[in-house]
Amino acid sequence: DTGVSQNPRHKITKRGQNVTFRCDPISEHNRLYWYRQTLGQGPEFLTYFQNEAQLEKSRLLSDRFSAERPKGSFSTLEIQRTEQGDSAMYLCASTINSAYEQYFGPGTRLTVT
Amino acid sequence: ILNVEQSPQSLHVQEGDSTNFTCSFPSSNFYALHWYRWETAKSPEALFVMTLNGDEKKKGRISATLNTKEGYSYLYIKGSQPEDSATYLCAFYGQNFVFGPGTRLSVLP
Repeated sequence: DTGVSQNPRHKITKRGQNVTFRCDPISEHNRLYWYRQTLGQGPEFLTYFQNEAQLEKSRLLSDRFSAERPKGSFSTLEIQRTEQGDSAMYLCASTINSAYEQYFGPGTRLTVT
Repeated sequence: ILNVEQSPQSLHVQEGDSTNFTCSFPSSNFYALHWYRWETAKSPEALFVMTLNGDEKKKGRISATLNTKEGYSYLYIKGSQPEDSATYLCAFYGQNFVFGPGTRLSVLP
């Protein structure tokens, strides 16, 4: 257990539905990252927060994806109008800053049918 | 688009063998290079973070080196054990984190 938790661990949804995932980072970590990982690939950066500010968002991220970290603590990632191509493992990680190791959560596996 | 490559893609070794993997990354705009171990059904776990050219880090039987001028890092495992079986990921940090595809290691007893 790294101290980072994610919920739910698994989500099966029908195409077109909206889904929301939650990440609870280690409390003293001000940076929080979201990644997407598909089979045979490494984690792909989606977005990151410094406290409550969203500082960077991948160009690969469509406008169906939105993330928040309202009080600089937990974060949510929402996918609207899900598509089958959204099926992946969604990982969250927290850290003090990028020169230090990231602590990953167990991930949320999304399956879009 | 930044490219981080890892080789080999997968590797099978016998218990007791030593092995090494390579991570190649852009040599410009370098800030840090991370190594993670990812066991099935668990979270990726940090092994090393290296920031300086020539850095060498060691944790038990695992060590890593860094060459930022030519853009590569090596991860070495001495005397592999079955519990070393995992996917080993490297991540380049320049403006943001870019992960390689990983090297999948299987250590056979």
